[in-house]
Amino acid sequence: AQSVAQPEDQVNVAEGNPLTVKCTYSVSGNPYLFWYVQYPNRGLQFLLKYITGDNLVKGSYGFEAEFNKSQTSFHLKKPSALVSDSALYFCAVREAGRRALTFGSGTRLQVQP
Amino acid sequence: DGGITQSPKYLFRKEGQNVTLSCEQNLNHDAMYWYRQDPGQGLRLIYYSQIVNDFQKGDIAEGYSVSREKKESFPLTVTSAQKNPTAFYLCASSAEEGGTNEKLFFGSGTQLSVL
Repeated sequence: AQSVAQPEDQVNVAEGNPLTVKCTYSVSGNPYLFWYVQYPNRGLQFLLKYITGDNLVKGSYGFEAEFNKSQTSFHLKKPSALVSDSALYFCAVREAGRRALTFGSGTRLQVQP
Repeated sequence: DGGITQSPKYLFRKEGQNVTLSCEQNLNHDAMYWYRQDPGQGLRLIYYSQIVNDFQKGDIAEGYSVSREKKESFPLTVTSAQKNPTAFYLCASSAEEGGTNEKLFFGSGTQLSVL
């Protein structure tokens, strides 16, 4: 069965500092990995995905994620955080042959001015 | 504008009542999904549909029902059998699975509360 874990309920970072939001996954076979962001009282918006190829994936709003197969991780990163990045971030996984994503519990990112 | 429209934004259910949440998309997507969001639990899959007149149960289908009579529409009914229906419900659609364009498009959600 596919599963994903986000070990941190909240991440706090000062504006201008680098940020990392952690995600680990478990699948049978090759994973399809995604990051989505949710702003207050809104639906989720797609940030980036890993299907195959380069381990460093670049996405929207300056975010990137690093796929590490040996550690089964897909951490979200940004070199310099903005206050406007404050939101709820979800990691999601789908294993080949499955039809729908499994989402993590979410990590709230708080960027302080 | 293309997108997914969910209605209503807020919905209140009385005990023993069935309620239906609407989801319409004009993106011409084949696949549609319903997720439930509870604080601290992330999103959990209720039902999904890959094609008209076909749908499958997700991880938490008990107490819910769906239909897919048209490609554009995927309504969710929360029945009286669902004993803890208070949650934020999100509808999503996607065009392509496994390809470079694979991603979910989400509606703005419906907050369901019990009176």
